[in-house]
Amino acid sequence: QVQLKESGPGLVQPSQTLSLTCTVAGFSLTSYNVHWVRQPPGKGLEWMGVIWNTGGTRYNSALKSRLSISKDTSKSQVFLKMNSLQTEDTATYYCARERAISHVMDAWGQGASVTVSS
Amino acid sequence: DVVMTQTPVSLPVSLGGQASISCRSSQSLVHSNGNTYLHWYLQKPGQSPQLLIYRVSNRFSGVPDRFSGSGSGTDFTLKISRVEPEDLGDYYCLQSTHFPRTFGGGTKLELK
Repeated sequence: QVQLKESGPGLVQPSQTLSLTCTVAGFSLTSYNVHWVRQPPGKGLEWMGVIWNTGGTRYNSALKSRLSISKDTSKSQVFLKMNSLQTEDTATYYCARERAISHVMDAWGQGASVTVSS
Repeated sequence: DVVMTQTPVSLPVSLGGQASISCRSSQSLVHSNGNTYLHWYLQKPGQSPQLLIYRVSNRFSGVPDRFSGSGSGTDFTLKISRVEPEDLGDYYCLQSTHFPRTFGGGTKLELK
């Protein structure tokens, strides 16, 4: 059964670094890309970046200077790190899988709610 | 960045009725490989988005045939016939032809 599950701290202080983990099951990170998408409360969806099955990455230029995505294929985990957090980074953060070269995100995690506040 | 303009923002419907959502892109979504990467998602309250339609008109596994997608180039439409209670929620289009990937602003399908 395909599963993606985000985990991380629910509360982060301003200017600090957010670290999230996406743990997957039912498929291999060697065959699938994993994207990160976020959604501020009551608002729409914003694509943040992707780690390819090959290990390369691509980021939204609006976040590029603050964002890093990596993975540990042997542990079926993908990691998101974003620094210099501000209150506008308060959002639910989703990871989603995409079969390599398909361009389609076909399964999403439940989301991790992150609040940036002192 | 490709701007995805989705209309309407809110769409009141009656159960059993029909709904139509438009998504327009600021540039063509035809990829250099000839495919058009425009997809539709439904986000039910309190849930993550779920894939409905991929590459304009292909229903994802398990999606009922009440859902249909059409369009080309920069102009796309999602139609829902015989609306059921489980269809209510926020609908988003997504383009994955260009980077960064961009979503439409969303359409809330709600009961009239």
